[in-house]
Amino acid sequence: EMQLVESGGGLVQPGRSLRLSCVASGFTFTDFWMSWVRQAPGKGLEWVANIKHDGSESHYMDSVKGRFTISRDNTKNSLYLLMNSLTAEDTAVYYCTRDPGDEFDLWGQGTLVSVSS
Amino acid sequence: SYVLTQPPSVSVAPGQTARLSCWGNDIESKSVHWYQQRPGQAPVLVISDDRERPSGIPERFSGSNSGNTATLTISRVEAGDEADYYCQVWDSDSDHLRVFGGGTKLTVL
Repeated sequence: EMQLVESGGGLVQPGRSLRLSCVASGFTFTDFWMSWVRQAPGKGLEWVANIKHDGSESHYMDSVKGRFTISRDNTKNSLYLLMNSLTAEDTAVYYCTRDPGDEFDLWGQGTLVSVSS
Repeated sequence: SYVLTQPPSVSVAPGQTARLSCWGNDIESKSVHWYQQRPGQAPVLVISDDRERPSGIPERFSGSNSGNTATLTISRVEAGDEADYYCQVWDSDSDHLRVFGGGTKLTVL
């Protein structure tokens, strides 16, 4: 069974950092771009960042450029999102997603990040 | 950046047909994808590339894309179809930027 499992969310103070992880199973991880998509409480979906199969290329939404870093470890079938200088506007459920083309065909269950003092 | 607009809500009786719209400038030149998100759950891809159904998605779900409007059609609506539905495209003018519509809440009366 193909699966994505996120972890690392939690309550963090404004200005601090947090690192999210996602472990993939049931498919060949190195065949796919991967993305992070977030959803603020009661709001819609918002693409955050993606990364190429081999980690050589990545892209970000404007509001997280310079603060967030997406990475992957293909030896561990794992995707990461390092989030620095967090603000209340970053509060959301963060989903790890598989990115086969320009759609998202597999989603994890999400991990909640709450930024508050 | 590219903007996708969806009506906030649509209501339909069981057994009827629901048509959910997604508006964008010249959207027919883009591939549109649709996601279903039931309450408390992660989104699920229900239509890709305008009209392709992923494995496991019922034939009741179909898609179309013409002019400035993409449409997700759900035939013979069931109570279990009540969910939020989001359209999404790749904004080729913004290098790898994926854009979502604001979502439509489908209520089954």
